[in-house]
Order: sequence, then structure tokens, then C-alpha cells
Amino acid sequence: ETGVTQSPTHLIKTRGQQVTLRCSSQSGHNTVSWYQQALGQGPQFIFQYYREEENGRGNFPPRFSGLQFPNYSSELNVNALELDDSALYLCASSSTSGGRDTQYFGPGTRLTVL
Amino acid sequence: AQTVTQSQPEMSVQEAETVTLSCTYDTSESDYYLFWYKQPPSRQMILVIRQEAYKQQNATENRFSVNFQKAAKSFSLKISDSQLGDAAMYFCAISFRGAQKLVFGQGTRLTINP
Repeated sequence: ETGVTQSPTHLIKTRGQQVTLRCSSQSGHNTVSWYQQALGQGPQFIFQYYREEENGRGNFPPRFSGLQFPNYSSELNVNALELDDSALYLCASSSTSGGRDTQYFGPGTRLTVL
Repeated sequence: AQTVTQSQPEMSVQEAETVTLSCTYDTSESDYYLFWYKQPPSRQMILVIRQEAYKQQNATENRFSVNFQKAAKSFSLKISDSQLGDAAMYFCAISFRGAQKLVFGQGTRLTINP
């Protein structure tokens, strides 16, 4: 069984740029959620994708957007990067057959905005 | 709004001893799930144990067990026979049936002393 994978591992961008982070869900999972984890904090929910549509969103501005593809993989896009966007971005997948209640995480992408 | 509170920023224990990490939560929902996740320095969030609120029996997974007190809204994690590999940040989290997100606490850093 293949686990959740994310790319890239690390990324450095400058303020104002745009970034795309990628996630492949665990085998058999059809739902992907994204979280932002600032240093020393617990993860904060950004949004979730199910059947290629956004299925819930946290308190993040519209410059955070996403996509889900037919193979259930997903992208997180952040436009007009700000210094406070520096964080670990975690992707998690889950399955509707399991009620979507248990999420399994990938290794994360560390984004640094200079 | 749902909140999760971990009142112990740091804990330490001698190898082979037992340690208990505390977590309290606040919700008006009746159908929810509680989780403990472990995040080692490698950053990947690993599921340790899961508890369904409607089940009175406390969940156990090998050396890990929980003490779930629904009326008190308390969900503590007990680690028996602590091992060096247990050193990590531990996060308590809650989710709800049909809901999209996990709500995390601030984490407890656990150190294992050899």
C-alpha cells in the first residue's frame, strides 16, 4: 500500500511570488485535505477536496487555492506570497468508505518565503 | 467553535517508564472522533491512536492507550515502557462525522531520557 507523498520537500520563494505544492493520496483514498503548520504550532486546516471539488475551507484567504485530479492527487496553490506563509504544508488523505474521519498525512513541504 | 487544549508544552520521562499526556477539548457535537498524532523531527504526522466518542471502551494500540472521559471532555494518552523512538511532538486532535477538518491542539514535546 502506497502512503501519502508530497513534493517538493523544501521550497524557497520570495515575497509576491506564486507557489504550487503537490500531493498524491494514499492508495484507495479519494479525499485530500491540506494543512498549514507554523513553527511551534499545531496544524491549521486550509481546505479539503473530494470528487475534484472543494469540500470545506478554513480561515484562509482566496489566494490559497487548490485542485484535485481524477486520480485523487491534489495541488495547493498560493499566490502573492507573504512572509507569514512560511510554514510546513501538510497533505492528508482519507476515504469516504471510512467516513473520512481518519486522515493519514504525508511528510510535508517546508516553504520559506524571503 | 471546537477547541483542543494541551496544557503540557513539554514532558520528559526515563526510558522504560510510563508517561501520560493530557488533552481537553470543547465541543457541542455528540458524534466525534479523537486522535493522537506523533510528529518526530522528520516532520511526518503519524497516527498513534483513534477513539470514537460513542464507544465507552478506551482504545489501545500496543504500548499506547487512552483514558477517554467524555463528560469531562478529556482524552489523555498513556505511553507504557517508553522507548527512545517515542521522542516526538504529540498532537491531540478532534474531528466530526461528515465534517472535513481536524482541529489540533498546540502539541506536547516528549523527551525520552536514556
